[in-house]
Amino acid sequence: DTGVSQDPRHKITKRGQNVTFRCDPISEHNRLYWYRQTLGQGPEFLTYFQNEAQLEKSRLLSDRFSAERPKGSFSTLEIQRTEQGDSAMYLCASSRTGAKDTIYFGEGSWLTVV
Amino acid sequence: GENVEQHPSTLSVQEGDSAVIKCTYSDSASNYFPWYKQELGKRPQLIIDIRSNVGEKKDQRIAVTLNKTAKHFSLHITETQPEDSAVYFCAAGDSWGKLQFGAGTQVVVTP
Repeated sequence: DTGVSQDPRHKITKRGQNVTFRCDPISEHNRLYWYRQTLGQGPEFLTYFQNEAQLEKSRLLSDRFSAERPKGSFSTLEIQRTEQGDSAMYLCASSRTGAKDTIYFGEGSWLTVV
Repeated sequence: GENVEQHPSTLSVQEGDSAVIKCTYSDSASNYFPWYKQELGKRPQLIIDIRSNVGEKKDQRIAVTLNKTAKHFSLHITETQPEDSAVYFCAAGDSWGKLQFGAGTQVVVTP
C-alpha cells in the first residue's frame, strides 16, 4: 500500500509526557497536512507544509505543539507536556501541488492521555 | 471566519431509499468541496468531490451539487445499501488544500 502512513497508530501516555507522531506522505506529494479529530466531530486543521516550509498554523496549535518536515518528505508532530484535552486522533494527509489534486488521509494516530 | 455547517447530524433511511446531506460554507475563497465517508476508527475516505467551476457531479449512486452563489453544496446517495452506513463529512477547501470540515452526518441504512 503506497498511501499515507502514520506511526504509531495508538499511543497511551501519562499527562505531562511528550509524544511524537510520524507521517509518511504518498511519494511525490509535496503538500502535507495535520488535522485533529475528537469523537463525534469533524477533523480540525492544525498545520500544513509545502515541501519543507510550514505555511500555516491553526490557533489550535498551542506552544506545546510543534510540527516539522525537515527534508520535505516525512513529517513529525510533537506534543509536549500532554494534557487530557489532547486526547484525539491525529490525522495526516497529503496531496500534490495544484488546484485539482485530491487530498488523501492516513489512518490516524490515536492519542489517549491518562 | 471560516465555517462549514452540515445537516442533518443523523439520518436514518430504509434500504433502497435516498439520502441527502446538506452543507453551507462562509469562506468565499473556498473552491474545492470534497465529501468523505468515515467508518468507526478508520480514516476519512474521499467518495466524491466537486470544484467551484462545476455545478453537479455524479458517480454511480452518489451525486454532489454546488450552488456557489448561495454557498450551498449537497450530497445525494440513491438506492442506499447497508454498507452505506457510516459518518459522512463535507468540507470546503481553498487553493492550498486546507479543508474546513462540517460536523458530520451519521447515516444509518436499515435493511
